[in-house]
Amino acid sequence: AQTVTQSQPEMSVQEAETVTLSCTYDTSESDYYLFWYKQPPSRQMILVIRQEAYKQQNATENRFSVNFQKAAKSFSLKISDSQLGDAAMYFCAYRSASGNKLVFGAGTILRVKS
Amino acid sequence: NAGVTQTPKFRILKIGQSMTLQCTQDMNHNYMYWYRQDPGMGLKLIYYSVGAGITDKGEVPNGYNVSRSTTEDFPLRLELAAPSQTSVYFCATLLWLNTEAFFGQGTRLTVV
Repeated sequence: AQTVTQSQPEMSVQEAETVTLSCTYDTSESDYYLFWYKQPPSRQMILVIRQEAYKQQNATENRFSVNFQKAAKSFSLKISDSQLGDAAMYFCAYRSASGNKLVFGAGTILRVKS
Repeated sequence: NAGVTQTPKFRILKIGQSMTLQCTQDMNHNYMYWYRQDPGMGLKLIYYSVGAGITDKGEVPNGYNVSRSTTEDFPLRLELAAPSQTSVYFCATLLWLNTEAFFGQGTRLTVV
C-alpha cells in the first residue's frame, strides 16, 4: 500500500522569507500523481500544486514550487515570499495512475510570523 | 454550481445513536471519497467509490457503511456511534486520475 510521510508536524517562517515543506512517499508504481493541498482554519481544502510523475520538470505556481525527486521518492513544497495568508495546514497527497485511492500525509502546520 | 455539498455541518450524537452524513455533488464526477480528520492530524480514508454501485474500503472502515446508488450521492452511515468517531468528516470527489479533488466543507461530529 502506498504511504505518504510528512516528517515536519510544524514549521515557522518569517513573512517574506522562504520555507520548504517535506514529503516522502512509498510506492512501487512508476506512474502516479502528487499534490499539495492547503487547509486554512476555515477547513476548506485548496489545491496548491500538482505534479505528474512522468514529467521531469518541477511544477510551479506563482510563489509555490516543488522539488520532485522521483528516485528518492521525495516531493517537497517551497513557498517563496511567504505571506500571512499562507498560514495553514499543508497536506501532501499521492494517487497512483492505476489505482483509485487518494492518500494523504499527516500534514504540516505552517505558521507565518510578521 | 454548488460543487460538493455536505450536510450537516455540525452534529452531536450520543453513544449508540446512528446517523447518516450526506454528500452530494453536481459535477458528474465518478470518484467519491470519505475521509476523517482527527484534531491536528491528517486525512484518513474511510470508504471510496469509483462509480454508482461500486464501493470499497479505505484504511479505517470499521464502524461505517456507505452506498452509492447514484453518481451524485455518497452517504456515510454510522450505525452505533462511539466516542472514537468524534472527528471532522470530509467528502471529496474527482473526475479523473490527475485532476484535483474537490472537497466539501466538512461535518464536525462529536459523540458524547
